[in-house]
Amino acid sequence: GENVEQHPSTLSVQEGDSAVIKCTYSDSASNYFPWYKQELGKRPQLIIDIRSNVGEKKDQRIAVTLNKTAKHFSLHITETQPEDSAVYFCAASKSNTGKLIFGQGTTLQVKP
Amino acid sequence: EAQVTQNPRYLITVTGKKLTVTCSQNMNHEYMSWYRQDPGLGLRQIYYSMNVEVTDKGDVPEGYKVSRKEKRNFPLILESPSPNQTSLYFCASKDVGQYYEQYFGPGTRLTVT
Repeated sequence: GENVEQHPSTLSVQEGDSAVIKCTYSDSASNYFPWYKQELGKRPQLIIDIRSNVGEKKDQRIAVTLNKTAKHFSLHITETQPEDSAVYFCAASKSNTGKLIFGQGTTLQVKP
Repeated sequence: EAQVTQNPRYLITVTGKKLTVTCSQNMNHEYMSWYRQDPGLGLRQIYYSMNVEVTDKGDVPEGYKVSRKEKRNFPLILESPSPNQTSLYFCASKDVGQYYEQYFGPGTRLTVT
């Protein structure tokens, strides 16, 4: 079945460093890739997304890249801050379906 | 305030005792969905609904039922809960159309003993 693999499961960086989280999807028909951030004890919230007709998208310190040929996409956070500490989930979906497949999550810790 | 609400927020129950977790949204969204979150497994979709009276299975529908009799409500029903359904449950809603953001409820922590 459809699957999204996410790595690493945990990531620890120093404040100011960059963090990269990678996801691979199995269904080549997937064409929408959102990223959610979940702070401790809170609900997931969308932070950025990318559609399959775009290779890269940036929003301030956050960027997402997509390689359709390799079926993988990545989240890049630059100049990390302690408030970036959270669990990050990638996800994939395709047209004409309400299914959204999530990766397993990455716990990011930014050390001051 | 635009929001998705869930009740109860916390529930401890025993095996086999039927329960319902309610989900309501006030954003007039056509799409609603239920997920469960377990450590190391991420969020897994249980059921979703693209519109009133239309529901479809997600990846882990076994042991769950849903109904969508009206647009704002999407209850999750566990007819005979088992310990492996102990989890954190999230309801979500969004506008119809693939690219819209899903808005999540606050979550329901369910423990089945």
